[in-house]
Amino acid sequence: AQSVAQPEDQVNVAEGNPLTVKCTYSVSGNPYLFWYVQYPNRGLQFLLKYITGDNLVKGSYGFEAEFNKSQTSFHLKKPSALVSDSALYFCAVRAQSGTYKYIFGTGTRLKVLA
Amino acid sequence: GAVVSQHPSRVICKSGTSVKIECRSLDFQATTMFWYRQFPKQSLMLMATSNEGSKATYEQGVEKDKFLINHASLTLSTLTVTSAHPEDSSFYICSASLGTAYNEQFFGPGTRLTVL
Repeated sequence: AQSVAQPEDQVNVAEGNPLTVKCTYSVSGNPYLFWYVQYPNRGLQFLLKYITGDNLVKGSYGFEAEFNKSQTSFHLKKPSALVSDSALYFCAVRAQSGTYKYIFGTGTRLKVLA
Repeated sequence: GAVVSQHPSRVICKSGTSVKIECRSLDFQATTMFWYRQFPKQSLMLMATSNEGSKATYEQGVEKDKFLINHASLTLSTLTVTSAHPEDSSFYICSASLGTAYNEQFFGPGTRLTVL
C-alpha cells in the first residue's frame, strides 16, 4: 500500500538556522513527490516537486528538497529559516501510474523562533 | 501560477439545510478536480475526485448522497453538503489539476463550514 510519513509533528528552529522537514514514502513504482505549505485557514500552496532527473529540487521561497531513492525520502530543506516560514508543511506522493490522487503525510508544523 | 478560487470562504448554516461550495479554476482548464476535508490540526482527507462531464469517484466511507459533487465545466466544480449536521462542520478544500500525473494540484483557499 502507498503511504507517506512525516515523522515529526513539529519542528522548531531559530531564525537564520538551516531547517529540515522530513518525509519518507512507500509506493510501488517510481514516485512523483510534492511539498506544500499551508498557512492558517488557507489552502495549500505548492512549493516544489520531484518527477525525475536531478535529485536536488529547488522550489519557491528558497526551499529545496532532496530525493533519496535508497532511503525512500524526500526531505524539505532551507539554508536559512525566516520567521515567516512558520506554517504547516505537507509532503504528498502520487504514483506514476494509475490515479492522479495524492497521498498526503500528516503534516509537520514548523516554528521559526526569532 | 494557476489560481483556484472557492466560494464562499466561510459559511454558517442551521442543521438540516444544504450548503453549496463552488470551486473554480480561474486561468486554466482543469480536467480533474479534487475535494478534501480537513479537521483541525490534521491532514487532508480526500473525499472525491471529479472529472468534467462524468460522475465523481468517491473515496471509501464518503457518502455520495450526502456530499453531492458536480463538475459541469472545465473550470467549475461544486460540492453540496445536503442536510448538513454539526458533524459536517469542517474545512473543505478543493484542488484542480491539468490531469497528468506529473502536474501538481492547485489548491483553493478553503471553505470553513459551521453547522449549528
